[in-house]
Amino acid sequence: QVQLKESGPGLVQPSQTLSLTCTVSGFSLTSYNVHWVRQPTGKGLEWMGVIWTGGSTDYNSALKSRLSISRDTSKSQVFLKMNSLQTEDIATYYCARGVPPDVMDAWGQGASVTVSS
Amino acid sequence: DIRMTQSPASLSASLGETVNIECLASEDIYSDLAWYQQKPGKSPQLLIYNANSLQNGVPSRFSGSGSGTQYSLKINSLQSEDVATYFCQQYNNYPLTFGSGTKLEIK
Repeated sequence: QVQLKESGPGLVQPSQTLSLTCTVSGFSLTSYNVHWVRQPTGKGLEWMGVIWTGGSTDYNSALKSRLSISRDTSKSQVFLKMNSLQTEDIATYYCARGVPPDVMDAWGQGASVTVSS
Repeated sequence: DIRMTQSPASLSASLGETVNIECLASEDIYSDLAWYQQKPGKSPQLLIYNANSLQNGVPSRFSGSGSGTQYSLKINSLQSEDVATYFCQQYNNYPLTFGSGTKLEIK
């Protein structure tokens, strides 16, 4: 059974760094890509970035200077780090499995992140 | 970036009706289009890819069509469980981009 689960602190102080972990099961990170997508409350979806099966990454240019995605295949975990958080970054953050032809066929439950002092 | 414009933003229809949701891309995306359903409080779920291919397990009352820059999602025989927000997504070019969503309610 394919599962993804995001975890991390729900509250981040302004200008600090957000760190989220996506723990997957039912598939291998060396066989499937993992995307990060975020959604401000009541709003649309924004693609943030992807880690490919080979370990390389691509990022949304709007976030590239602040964003880093990495993984630990032995633990089946993908990591998102984004620095200099502001109130505009308040959102639910999802990790999702990528399958051909570049769509997302399984999503985590989402991690709600608030930015506040 | 490719801009995806969805319409309408919200839609109210009766049980059993047929509804259509439109998605317009800012450039030709060569049918590299997916549709997702997001039920209230839940994560998005893939419905359709390649503009008209139904994802495994998705009811056949859902269908997709279109080409070039214009695409649509059709839901036949609307059911109560179809209450959700629907998003289109293009994957012809990075960054992947989504439409702003169509919120579907039952009248």
